[in-house]
Amino acid sequence: DTEVTQTPKHLVMGMTNKKSLKCEQHMGHRAMYWYKQKAKKPPELMFVYSYEKLSINESVPSRFSPECPNSSLLNLHLHALQPEDSALYLCASSQDLLAGMTYEQYFGPGTRLTVT
Amino acid sequence: GNSVTQMEGPVTLSEEAFLTINCTYTATGYPSLFWYVQYPGEGLQLLLKATKADDKGSNKGFEATYRKETTSFHLEKGSVQVSDSAVYFCALIPYNQGGKLIFGQGTELSVKP
Repeated sequence: DTEVTQTPKHLVMGMTNKKSLKCEQHMGHRAMYWYKQKAKKPPELMFVYSYEKLSINESVPSRFSPECPNSSLLNLHLHALQPEDSALYLCASSQDLLAGMTYEQYFGPGTRLTVT
Repeated sequence: GNSVTQMEGPVTLSEEAFLTINCTYTATGYPSLFWYVQYPGEGLQLLLKATKADDKGSNKGFEATYRKETTSFHLEKGSVQVSDSAVYFCALIPYNQGGKLIFGQGTELSVKP
């Protein structure tokens, strides 16, 4: 089973709202990722968690706040977003993140976010 | 730096035609190479991978060979179907940078009956 699930599938929020995106995997993977994808573009890495600790933050604005409550769950908390933040937000996971090793990433279906 | 270049789309083919999507890369050392596919309205699916020179990845009739001498990882399929219509992304993970999946710009494929 290589399934990563994401909720909700679609989200519409105003610029003053607070909302959260959720991601879950049950493959025993120890690394989890958030990506942002604009239409007709490749995904852009936002955050990487390894063993529930933030490993990489690609200079993402503070209105995006990630959280990894346990090894299976990854959240992305959203606050005071701008219309240009509207995009598909993809979660991914991989077995591990060890230096010198390569692990393929498995993606979820994404959350389509619209900021009004 | 590390980068991936794909042929521009959209690519339009008739059903049962031969498919090639070109991908070349720039990277230090020996990166791992991947093809991902994104069907309309969905997330990315790993299609195939290769981790060292001359490796051939294959899945669902698609193939790609890791060519170090030409720094290429071209995607091929002998006979495409309408259901193969999607966006295809070539990507690499640089050696010793496990979390950094670097994508090409994507190539949209449209297969007509």
